[in-house]
Amino acid sequence: DSGVTQTPKHLITATGQRVTLRCSPRSGDLSVYWYQQSLDQGLQFLIQYYNGEERAKGNILERFSAQQFPDLHSELNLSSLELGDSALYFCASSPQGQYNEKLFFGSGTQLSVL
Amino acid sequence: EDKVVQSPLSLVVHEGDTVTLNCSYEVTNFRSLLWYKQEKKAPTFLFMLTSSGIEKKSGRLSSILDKKELFSILNITATQTGDSAVYLCAVESLSGGANNLFFGTGTRLTVIP
Repeated sequence: DSGVTQTPKHLITATGQRVTLRCSPRSGDLSVYWYQQSLDQGLQFLIQYYNGEERAKGNILERFSAQQFPDLHSELNLSSLELGDSALYFCASSPQGQYNEKLFFGSGTQLSVL
Repeated sequence: EDKVVQSPLSLVVHEGDTVTLNCSYEVTNFRSLLWYKQEKKAPTFLFMLTSSGIEKKSGRLSSILDKKELFSILNITATQTGDSAVYLCAVESLSGGANNLFFGTGTRLTVIP
């Protein structure tokens, strides 16, 4: 158990809908990362937060948004869902979000868009 | 464009065999290279490498980094069925004032009894 909690584990929804994925980082970790893993692609970095502030942005679509709350949990919002958004979405955390810190991953949320 | 390429994509071996997984990269402002093991869901950390030529070892697993040739290898000796997983290589770089972690697509290792 990495200490990172993601909910829900599975999510099935229809195209055009909006969903929210939730992540609680390890106790004491200030930085949260979101990754998307599709069948034919590796882990794609979406966005990173540190202590409530956005720190880095990757290949995140404009239809997606995220935030980190004062209690350090984070939410990833996906809207106007398309079939291609079906993927495994991981959250990871690290203490300071600095380089040379290893990431601890949650078990992921499997999103299926029908 | 930063990229991480892993090979082979997939590997099937018998228990007891030794395997070598490869990871090559092209990133600006390299910081470190990390190996993760992904069994069912969450990737779990194996190694972090920052210096060239220094082998990291944990049991039957070992890894080394060559910063001149821009690659790393992960060796697993005396493989067991429990080693079956996807092995991910990730490279950390400093870009735009932030640290980014780029993952390869992974090598799927299957160890058969």
